[in-house]
Formats: sequence, structure tokens, C-alpha cells
Amino acid sequence: GEDVEQSLFLSVREGDSSVINCTYTDSSSTYLYWYKQEPGAGLQLLTYIFSNMDMKQDQRLTVLLNKKDKHLSLRIADTQTGDSAIYFCAESMDSNYQLIWGAGTKLIIKP
Amino acid sequence: KAGVTQTPRYLIKTRGQQVTLSCSPISGHRSVSWYQQTPGQGLQFLFEYFSETQRNKGNFPGRFSGRQFSNSRSEMNVSTLELGDSALYLCASSLVTGGTGELFFGEGSRLTVL
Repeated sequence: GEDVEQSLFLSVREGDSSVINCTYTDSSSTYLYWYKQEPGAGLQLLTYIFSNMDMKQDQRLTVLLNKKDKHLSLRIADTQTGDSAIYFCAESMDSNYQLIWGAGTKLIIKP
Repeated sequence: KAGVTQTPRYLIKTRGQQVTLSCSPISGHRSVSWYQQTPGQGLQFLFEYFSETQRNKGNFPGRFSGRQFSNSRSEMNVSTLELGDSALYLCASSLVTGGTGELFFGEGSRLTVL
């Protein structure tokens, strides 16, 4: 069945790069998303990538997609304290509105 | 432009009671979806409404229901509350239905069932 998996926690030092990983099972996924949830807030779309792309870069964010391995990653360069949040990976298909979500990775920043 | 507004933000109920949560989408958005967020289960899709019609439904019991009004505002109802229904309920609105549109989330309604 459909499933999206993420590690629950990631701890990095301020100024280092953070790499959050996600694996998914449905090869027919069309869009893959990264959402960010700050404490006490709803989710906010960070970036998304079409399944026909390998990479997308947006300022400090780099998304890498390996379709063969069904692996998606989000790299945050120069991680800051404001990046502390839970990061959710999600996939969707054209034919089905229901996004499939990962459990979220909590990013912890060490000073 | 106002964001997605959910009310109430916090509420406490006891087992067996029922609860109604409200969501006002961003002006112009016709799609509203609901999610349940718990520490153990992550984000679970409840249902999605578009133009007052339920377009999709997640794997939840019939105690969970929803509706959408002509102004796109949506409500969800949980009857006969159970302890396991304690969660953050998130509403998201979108311009379009289908998995290609960006979802805009509200801050959620945190339900505690005692």
C-alpha cells in the first residue's frame, strides 16, 4: 500500500547543513512536497517537486529526488535556530486528492 | 488576505460527548480538507470538500463527519467521543481540488477528551 516514511528526529549544529530524508512506496506519485510546522502553528508549504525532476533549489533549500530508489531529501544549508520545526514529506497523484503524509521529522538545532 | 481560521483553538470534552469544529478557508478557496494530527500517527486525512461536496474520505469511523457550506466554510463533527480522539485537528484550504494545489493550513483545534 501507500506509505511515506521519515525519521522522527534530526539534530544538527547551528550553521551546519541539515538533510531530512523521506522514502515513499508509490511509484505513480506525481508531486512530492515538503511542509514545515513550527510550534503551535499549522503546516506551511516549503517547496515541492514534480516527479520528472531530479533536483530543485530555492535559496537555502535543495530538494533531491531519486525515483529509482523512491527517495526524497530536503537539504537546508546554514541551518538557523528559526529552522527548528517539524518537516513533513507528502506525496500525491493526479488521480487522487488524498495526500499521503510522512510522520514528520523534528529538526533540533544545537547552539 | 486573511489565512485559514479554525475555531475553537482549544477545547476539552468528556467521553461520549460530541464536538463541532469550524474552519473558514482563505477567501476564494473552494476546497477544504481536514486532518487529524497525533504524536503516534502523524497526519491522517479525514475528508475533503469541494463546492459543498465531499470529494474524498479517509479511513475513519462514521463518528467523524463533515460538511461544507455555500460560502466554503466547513465544519467537522465527532460524535460519541473516545479518549483516542484527543488530537490536533487541522483544516487546510486550497484553490483547487486534486493533489496539485498548495494547501494552506490553519493553526488547528486542539481537542482533549477526558
